[in-house]
Amino acid sequence: DVKVTQSSRYLVKRTGEKVFLECVQDMDHENMFWYRQDPGLGLRLIYFSYDVKMKEKGDIPEGYSVSREKKERFSLILESASTNQTSMYLCASSPSFRGPNTGELFFGEGSRLTVL
Amino acid sequence: AQKVTQAQTEISVVEKEDVTLDCVYETRDTTYYLFWYKQPPSGELVFLIRRNSFDEQNEISGRYSWNFQKSTSSFNFTITASQVVDSAVYFCALSTAGGFKTIFGAGTRLFVKA
Repeated sequence: DVKVTQSSRYLVKRTGEKVFLECVQDMDHENMFWYRQDPGLGLRLIYFSYDVKMKEKGDIPEGYSVSREKKERFSLILESASTNQTSMYLCASSPSFRGPNTGELFFGEGSRLTVL
Repeated sequence: AQKVTQAQTEISVVEKEDVTLDCVYETRDTTYYLFWYKQPPSGELVFLIRRNSFDEQNEISGRYSWNFQKSTSSFNFTITASQVVDSAVYFCALSTAGGFKTIFGAGTRLFVKA
């Protein structure tokens, strides 16, 4: 069964802390994504990666960074967490867009982060 | 600019009722893909359907059907004879050729009461 696994379902952090959200996929997908989900706003793209060590900013990258050292793993980093980063974070992956590709995203279960 | 609008924030129906979730999109691209995803209480978004811009055929899958109309830039989703297990948040999404940036609507929360 194909899977995208996010390391933590729930996290509580304090303002100013450094936060790591980890995501691993077992489908050998080239592309990985981090989204943020907020009520009334849907999902907004933070960063994506189309290859190891490659990353591109999404629509709301401010306050975040990412790391992709291995194909299967994509990490989201909050260098100094703030209360407005309290949210649900969703990781997704998809196969290469170079060949036949459906654009379908495979999602993890999400990580709900609360910053106090 | 690309945009997806799901005007219905919440819908509540009684089991066995039919329900339609609306989706309106905006894009200047001629090649694009439209999607519907379901997010049950567990949190994981699940892919339901993809449509490309050159295929306006409606699609039916069991109790689910989708109506794609380019003339009105709409991609509506109908659940026939709804069931309690259909209770979830449903997202409509749009991606253009290249596909790295998928734009999601705000979602419609569907409650199906027994």
